[in-house]
Amino acid sequence: EAQVTQNPRYLITVTGKKLTVTCSQNMNHEYMSWYRQDPGLGLRQIYYSMNVEVTDKGDVPEGYKVSRKEKRNFPLILESPSPNQTSLYFCASSLRHLNPNTEAFFGQGTRLTVV
Amino acid sequence: KQEVTQIPAALSVPEGENLVLNCSFTDSAIYNLQWFRQDPGKGLTSLLLIQSSQREQTSGRLNASLDKSSGRSTLYIAASQPGDSATYLCAVPTSYGKLTFGQGTILTVHP
Repeated sequence: EAQVTQNPRYLITVTGKKLTVTCSQNMNHEYMSWYRQDPGLGLRQIYYSMNVEVTDKGDVPEGYKVSRKEKRNFPLILESPSPNQTSLYFCASSLRHLNPNTEAFFGQGTRLTVV
Repeated sequence: KQEVTQIPAALSVPEGENLVLNCSFTDSAIYNLQWFRQDPGKGLTSLLLIQSSQREQTSGRLNASLDKSSGRSTLYIAASQPGDSATYLCAVPTSYGKLTFGQGTILTVHP
């Protein structure tokens, strides 16, 4: 089954404790990205990657890092989480970007709480 | 800068009604438009993708239309059911494939 898998689904952590949210897709997609969803602010892109070893900042990259060493994986790293990073996070992938028939697929989300 | 707006913000209907959700976008130079469904606290499920050259797409009781020139898309849900209750989001890809989302329409279908 074609899917985007995120782990963990839920995470409560303390301020400053480094964490990684994993994302993996099994569709051989080139394009992957991370979004956060907050009430009243909607979905905002954090980082994206157009292919292996190619990453770039989205709209709200501060406090986050990513890497793309393999095509299927795109982990989101919070080096020193803070309470304002409490949010619902989504990983997404698509075959390529800016193509008319390219459909985006989303993971099930990671609910992160930083206390 | 592309902006996406969805109207209404919330909609409550009795079971069996046909309904229309609206999505508008400011820049008509889009590659496609995608409709998603999101259940509370859950992930986004893709419902329909309309390519820029298409006028509509259908999947079961769902029909989505696209009018690029007027910057509008509609999602038509026929014979609504309580299981259709969710937030519906539309999105268009912008620079470097980022999806710009509307704020969503919260749909409640009463038995």
